[in-house]
Amino acid sequence: AQSVAQPEDQVNVAEGNPLTVKCTYSVSGNPYLFWYVQYPNRGLQFLLKYITGDNLVKGSYGFEAEFNKSQTSFHLKKPSALVSDSALYFCAVRDQLFSGGYNKLIFGAGTRLAVHP
Amino acid sequence: EPEVTQTPSHQVTQMGQEVILRCVPISNHLYFYWYRQILGQKVEFLVSFYNNEISEKSEIFDDQFSVERPDGSNFTLKIRSTKLEDSAMYFCASSEELAGSYEQYFGPGTRLTVT
Repeated sequence: AQSVAQPEDQVNVAEGNPLTVKCTYSVSGNPYLFWYVQYPNRGLQFLLKYITGDNLVKGSYGFEAEFNKSQTSFHLKKPSALVSDSALYFCAVRDQLFSGGYNKLIFGAGTRLAVHP
Repeated sequence: EPEVTQTPSHQVTQMGQEVILRCVPISNHLYFYWYRQILGQKVEFLVSFYNNEISEKSEIFDDQFSVERPDGSNFTLKIRSTKLEDSAMYFCASSEELAGSYEQYFGPGTRLTVT
């Protein structure tokens, strides 16, 4: 069964410093991986995805993620954190039950990012 | 930019009552989903829907739950007889599922409180 793990409940970083939010995955085939962000009382916003190709993918708001097949990781990164980046971040993997569409996303438990001024 | 919308934003209901949560997916999307998030917990899949049929449902999605696409735009989740443990944030999502474009777009959610 596909799964993702986010080993950190919370990550604290000072504004202007680089940030990393960790994610590891377990899949039976090639992984389709996603990061979403959730601000308080809001829905999930898509940040970026890895489907195939370059291991470093760039997304919204200056975020990027590095796919590492040997370590089965897909860590979210940003070179310089902003206070406004403070939110809940979810890593997700697309299930592979169906060869066509409508495969569900399987989410990690989430990591709360707190960026301090 | 097109987005998924959901109504109501907050629904309070008494245990045993029926509720209908409504969603308008992005117009050219063909695949629809419901997820829920109990406060402080992870996002859990409930059901996926394609071509007017349920594609997959989770163990949570028992006989008390149903989904419907009553017209060309709305997608609804009905809970026939709510329980206290149904209190959660319910998210609707939609996707195109084109090659290379598998991301799902989520609505802002409906917070369901069962008393």
